[in-house]
Amino acid sequence: ETGVTQSPTHLIKTRGQQVTLRCSSQSGHNTVSWYQQALGQGPQFIFQYYREEENGRGNFPPRFSGLQFPNYSSELNVNALELDDSALYLCASSLVSNEQYFGPGTRLTVT
Amino acid sequence: QQQVKQSPQSLIVQKGGISIINCAYENTAFDYFPWYQQFPGKGPALLIAIRPDVSEKKEGRFTISFNKSAKQFSLHIMDSQPGDSATYFCAASRETGRRALTFGSGTRLQVQP
Repeated sequence: ETGVTQSPTHLIKTRGQQVTLRCSSQSGHNTVSWYQQALGQGPQFIFQYYREEENGRGNFPPRFSGLQFPNYSSELNVNALELDDSALYLCASSLVSNEQYFGPGTRLTVT
Repeated sequence: QQQVKQSPQSLIVQKGGISIINCAYENTAFDYFPWYQQFPGKGPALLIAIRPDVSEKKEGRFTISFNKSAKQFSLHIMDSQPGDSATYFCAASRETGRRALTFGSGTRLQVQP
């Protein structure tokens, strides 16, 4: 059984650009959640996808968007990048219960 | 509004000692309370979780104590080891509807040999 994987590991972008981050959920998990973790802080919920539909959203602007595919993998897209978007982006997958298993994250740096 | 408050921010414990981390929540709709362990450069790893129908749960050296009336829960690490040195996060969520985890601000634990 493979765990949650994310790509890329690190990414450097310029303010105003767009970025796409990818996540493969743990085998059999149908729910994917995305979190943003700023340096020295706890993760903040961005949104959650269940069976390809958005199933809740945190306090993030519309320039943060996502997709979930039929194989339950997911993408996080961020448009018009700002310096404050620099963070570790975490993907977590789960099945029926709320036991969420996190991937290693993508470190995004916006310059 | 911070819905889960965690303390202390940092903790230094001697090897073999007991590490205690506390959390308090505000939202009474929360009914699932996990603890995560995070090493530098890694994602959070689920350590142990509790639901409000029990007051204590133990897994190996890790114990969660839960006080529903006080809206508080804590993690106890018995016989702390240098390998336990990491950042620990408490979290809370609902088990139905939007199952988003609300995290505390984290506790950096250092276990000295």
